[in-house]
Amino acid sequence: AQKITQTQPGMFVQEKEAVTLDCTYDTSDQSYGLFWYKQPSSGEMIFLIYQGSYDEQNATEGRYSLNFQKARKSANLVISASQLGDSAMYFCAMSLPYSGAGSYQLTFGKGTKLSVIP
Amino acid sequence: GAVVSQHPSRVICKSGTSVKIECRSLDFQATTMFWYRQFPKQSLMLMATSNEGSKATYEQGVEKDKFLINHASLTLSTLTVTSAHPEDSSFYICSASRDRDIKLFFGSGTQLSVL
Repeated sequence: AQKITQTQPGMFVQEKEAVTLDCTYDTSDQSYGLFWYKQPSSGEMIFLIYQGSYDEQNATEGRYSLNFQKARKSANLVISASQLGDSAMYFCAMSLPYSGAGSYQLTFGKGTKLSVIP
Repeated sequence: GAVVSQHPSRVICKSGTSVKIECRSLDFQATTMFWYRQFPKQSLMLMATSNEGSKATYEQGVEKDKFLINHASLTLSTLTVTSAHPEDSSFYICSASRDRDIKLFFGSGTQLSVL
């Protein structure tokens, strides 16, 4: 069974500083995907970044980067130059192996609430 | 980008009534749609997976007669909470997958409150 662990219920960061949100995962599959989603107070889930288990390079998307350490089974999200609008819940998620049908079922961690301080 | 529309965003109903929640992919055909439930300050728990034209696959512990899912077309899936009770009060959110796209697209969620 797959499991995602986010050990930080809440984090504070000063505006313009960088912050790392931790995520560890457990799976016996060799092929999997790791995702980070942002959920503002309005409720929608916003895709941030994706890392495939076979990707050798760490994923980056603008101010977001994923620190992927496969041996440690960790996929930490790094947000650089934090902005007030970054205040939200952040969820780490893992997908089941690609089935070929174009659909991914996600398992989510419990989330980390990030608060950016002016 | 791909847009998933979910309605209603908020619904309050009396105990014993049924509530239907719609999830539409506006600019793409969704091969698969997923329904999640989220309690306050908790994670998203997958309830069921639906593919167009076939019966939904429910996760263990989710009552299929309680939470009816219909995926009638490649752009529409509905979740009906039948005979709702206060314990069904929760945030329900749908997501859709687009062929050959690595990520899921989420609706904006529905806050259900059963009195």
